[in-house]
Amino acid sequence: DTGVSQDPRHKITKRGQNVTFRCDPISEHNRLYWYRQTLGQGPEFLTYFQNEAQLEKSRLLSDRFSAERPKGSFSTLEIQRTEQGDSAMYLCASSLEVDEKLFFGSGTQLSVL
Amino acid sequence: KQEVTQIPAALSVPEGENLVLNCSFTDSAIYNLQWFRQDPGKGLTSLLLIQSSQREQTSGRLNASLDKSSGRSTLYIAASQPGDSATYLCAVNDYKLSFGAGTTVTVRA
Repeated sequence: DTGVSQDPRHKITKRGQNVTFRCDPISEHNRLYWYRQTLGQGPEFLTYFQNEAQLEKSRLLSDRFSAERPKGSFSTLEIQRTEQGDSAMYLCASSLEVDEKLFFGSGTQLSVL
Repeated sequence: KQEVTQIPAALSVPEGENLVLNCSFTDSAIYNLQWFRQDPGKGLTSLLLIQSSQREQTSGRLNASLDKSSGRSTLYIAASQPGDSATYLCAVNDYKLSFGAGTTVTVRA
């Protein structure tokens, strides 16, 4: 068990570009979550999956954001036409079931110039 | 909508003092509550998880209590050390985690 992996660790991009992040959850974990964290704040919920089904999307997730979890394994989070306000740490977490402990990855730090 | 509040926002203590971090939440229909530690620029490290049926959980110098009816949890850190300096986050699980803004702790040597 290698924990939750996120790639890349850091991403610098120019405004208007598209970016994609990847999350590999702990194997056999059914639930996968995406969070966003800005400086001095706690993580904010973006979306979550139960296996391959995306069950909820936060109002924070504008139509520029899309997330997938094909085959219920790894997940990707894509941001189209990035804006400076998208600069944040994007965190992925997974758990076995809804009442189990969540394990977080190290996050992807996005900087939009 | 679940609201989670952490008080104080920041805390500075001399080495050896005990730390008391508070967390309150608005909706008591939860599965569990987790306390996390976060170092600057890093991800989250889980410290303790308390199931909704439990009153407290202990791990080494850490003890967390949960009073679901009043919507409160407290994290105690005994005999603080400079290595305990970090931000501590409380998160309530009502099918997803809702986080407080955290308490930033500085332990002075």
